Amino acid sequence: AQKVTQAQTEISVVEKEDVTLDCVYETRDTTYYLFWYKQPPSGELVFLIRRNSFDEQNEISGRYSWNFQKSTSSFNFTITASQVVDSAVYFCALSEMDSSYKLIFGSGTRLLVRP
Amino acid sequence: GAGVSQSPSNKVTEKGKDVELRCDPISGHTALYWYRQSLGQGLEFLIYFQGNSAPDKSGLPSDRFSAERTGGSVSTLTIQRTQQEDSAVYLCASSQRPAYGLTDTQYFGPGTRLTVL
Repeated sequence: AQKVTQAQTEISVVEKEDVTLDCVYETRDTTYYLFWYKQPPSGELVFLIRRNSFDEQNEISGRYSWNFQKSTSSFNFTITASQVVDSAVYFCALSEMDSSYKLIFGSGTRLLVRP
Repeated sequence: GAGVSQSPSNKVTEKGKDVELRCDPISGHTALYWYRQSLGQGLEFLIYFQGNSAPDKSGLPSDRFSAERTGGSVSTLTIQRTQQEDSAVYLCASSQRPAYGLTDTQYFGPGTRLTVL
């Protein structure tokens, strides 16, 4: 059965520290997508990145980077030089071709960046 | 361009009443999803529309929940005889569906916070 695990419930760092948010997924589908969304205190889910199962190339966008490894079923997210504005809940999600592409979310990781 | 919009932003109702929640997807997006976010259950899928059809209703928690979509655009989620456990934030998302085997990113609306007293 499909499942997404975000084992870190809450992480607290001091500004400018690097931080990695872990995501482990389970799926039997060969065609699937992985996502990261950010939910700031305002509540709206903001899309960050999408990767498909056929593309394991890592991606960097400014201070954000993502490490996708099919061998360990992981899709980890690193924020470099964290800022107070990065404080939010971050959700990892999985969608599968065989399941209407509905998003299956992890439980989220709350990141607190202290000044 | 305009994003996904939802109304009302907040709804307080009494147990046993019916409520309707509305979602306006991004123009041109054929796929529409409803999710629910609650403290105890996290983010859960409710129902998926492709055009006006709902090929996946597997997440609806009971027959008190229903949804429809008209004109391939606006969708309404209806909860009949609300219960306190229905209290949650109801989120709508839309995406394009370019071709079989592919998907596109789901973009979310701001949600409707439902409180059942």
